[in-house]
Amino acid sequence: QQQVKQSPQSLIVQKGGISIINCAYENTAFDYFPWYQQFPGKGPALLIAIRPDVSEKKEGRFTISFNKSAKQFSLHIMDSQPGDSATYFCAARSDYKLSFGAGTTVTVRA
Amino acid sequence: GAGVSQSPRYKVAKRGQDVALRCDPISGHVSLFWYQQALGQGPEFLTYFQNEAQLDKSGLPSDRFFAERPEGSVSTLKIQRTQQEDSAVYLCASSMAVGNIQYFGAGTRLSVL
Repeated sequence: QQQVKQSPQSLIVQKGGISIINCAYENTAFDYFPWYQQFPGKGPALLIAIRPDVSEKKEGRFTISFNKSAKQFSLHIMDSQPGDSATYFCAARSDYKLSFGAGTTVTVRA
Repeated sequence: GAGVSQSPRYKVAKRGQDVALRCDPISGHVSLFWYQQALGQGPEFLTYFQNEAQLDKSGLPSDRFFAERPEGSVSTLKIQRTQQEDSAVYLCASSMAVGNIQYFGAGTRLSVL
């Protein structure tokens, strides 16, 4: 069964807009929550990650918000650019094992 | 090399054939992982190695799947008697140590006809 639920499946945003992707989990053993970006024909690449003792982490235009009590976390992409068009996966780690969401395809229109 | 290298990039197999997929991890990385990514889905964990030891193979879908890493570097994922449901992208990832960032290769796309 899928341990990390991700939504939406896809989204379209105008250049300069904000993209928001949401994820939820149940397993309280997860201790690390990375986001991966994947372009067609490439493997996933780590974008940004957060630990559950932090409520927010920002790196450039990318921000993770984390709500431990609700077991939810989200990725915000500010000032979206056409080069951000990709599939984004949230993930959660327990020990060494990563569990991935189903992915969100983001399309940024110029 | 600079990153995780996987070969072949594409593999077409007839149902019932055996296939072998290769992964060259980043030099010096102790931990190695295999994932299966079905079309339109996120990667699913298959198996984990620390050096040459296979510590977790709980994600392998059947006994037709076998992975090895005999010298603690290159790894091979073998699928025997391939079935159509085996069609997927097989991703390899490595990390310097368990708990560190996992770096992914570009994957091998397997199509079973």
